Amino acid sequence: DTEVTQTPKHLVMGMTNKKSLKCEQHMGHRAMYWYKQKAKKPPELMFVYSYEKLSINESVPSRFSPECPNSSLLNLHLHALQPEDSALYLCASSQGGPQYFGPGTRLLVL
Amino acid sequence: KNQVEQSPQSLIILEGKNCTLQCNYTVSPFSNLRWYKQDTGRGPVSLTIMTFSENTKSNGRYTATLDADTKQSSLHITASQLSDSASYICVVSRNTPLVFGKGTRLSVIA
Repeated sequence: DTEVTQTPKHLVMGMTNKKSLKCEQHMGHRAMYWYKQKAKKPPELMFVYSYEKLSINESVPSRFSPECPNSSLLNLHLHALQPEDSALYLCASSQGGPQYFGPGTRLLVL
Repeated sequence: KNQVEQSPQSLIILEGKNCTLQCNYTVSPFSNLRWYKQDTGRGPVSLTIMTFSENTKSNGRYTATLDADTKQSSLHITASQLSDSASYICVVSRNTPLVFGKGTRLSVIA
C-alpha cells in the first residue's frame, strides 16, 4: 500500500466552527507532514511530525492544531478559521525518500 | 537564500510533441532533487528523485537530468499526452523543509 489517504475531500465551514482533517498512511513512514497550498502556488509547510512527535511548526497560527495519535494517523484540528485560510490542505509522509502526498482536502471558510 | 526557480511559468504544446521544463536552484546543502506532477486540486505525485551523483533518471516518458555543478535540472517529456496536462514542480531537499519551485503549468492540447 503506497497510498496516503485524506478525509474529507471537501470541507466548507464557518468561522465559528470546529472541524478536523484526517490523514492516514500504512507504509510504515515515520515522518508525516501538513502543507497548505493556495491556488497556483507551491505547497507551504505547516507542521512536521517525526516518530509521532512534533518536530517542526512553521509559525502556524494556533487556530490550526496538529495531532499525531499513532504512527499511521495525522490530524489537523481547525477552530475559528478565517476566510484567508481557504486552501488545499495536503498531508504527506516519508521515510528517508520522497514524500508521498495525499489527494488533499479542499477547505472553504465562509 | 535557498531558492528554486522554474521556467517557463506556463507552456502549451500539441499532443504528441516533446517538451523540456527547467529548474535552477541555489539550495545548499543539497540532498536530492525531485520532480512532482500535480493535477489541479490534487496532491503532488513523485516522478523522479535524484541524488548528487545521478545525472539522469527516467520514468516512462519522463526523463530528468541533473547537473549538480551548475545547479540545474530539466524534465523532458516525450510524446506528450492530454493527461500530461498538469503543474510540474521541482523540489530540492536539504532535509526538512523541502524547497519548492513555483511550478510550470503544462497544457497539452489536441
